[in-house]
Amino acid sequence: KQEVTQIPAALSVPEGENLVLNCSFTDSAIYNLQWFRQDPGKGLTSLLLIQSSQREQTSGRLNASLDKSSGRSTLYIAASQPGDSATYLCAVREQGAQKLVFGQGTRLTINP
Amino acid sequence: EAGVAQSPRYKIIEKRQSVAFWCNPISGHATLYWYQQILGQGPKLLIQFQNNGVVDDSQLPKDRFSAERLKGVDSTLKIQPAKLEDSAVYLCASSLNAMEVFVSRYEQYFGPGTRLTVT
Repeated sequence: KQEVTQIPAALSVPEGENLVLNCSFTDSAIYNLQWFRQDPGKGLTSLLLIQSSQREQTSGRLNASLDKSSGRSTLYIAASQPGDSATYLCAVREQGAQKLVFGQGTRLTINP
Repeated sequence: EAGVAQSPRYKIIEKRQSVAFWCNPISGHATLYWYQQILGQGPKLLIQFQNNGVVDDSQLPKDRFSAERLKGVDSTLKIQPAKLEDSAVYLCASSLNAMEVFVSRYEQYFGPGTRLTVT
């Protein structure tokens, strides 16, 4: 059974810092991995999707990497801003399946 | 392009009552998902539809939860009777035909969710 774990559960950093969020998964037979952002009371917004054949994806100040063999992904946020405060979730889509398996999320707070 | 629509946004009911949630996916999206997100946890898939057929309902508590997607567009999720542990956010998502595994980019788009509180 696929399990997705995110560490840390919560993170608080001052504005302007670069930071890394971690995601690990137990079964490397995945089709892709997706990072989402969730604001309080809102749905999920997709940030980056990495196919299993890719090593990383970039969007603006965000960079996500994937090491399928070790079952790890990282989300790097450069020059953090208070508007980046949210919960960040990673999810994997297993090969042969359609559903996403989510981690429990990292609650990020950027302090002005 | 309009996103995934859900209603109501908030609902408070007493235990043993019934409740229904509605979802309208993005136009043209064949696959529709209902997720349950308990506070402090990631979303958990309850049921997945491909057009109007069920693909995966393995984690749906079928003794109290039901869902339908008539005509392969809108969907309704019902809970009857509700329990305290059903308090959660219910998220609806849709995607292009997820059965086509060779689609180069597969992505689920989420609605704002319905926050259910059972007292």
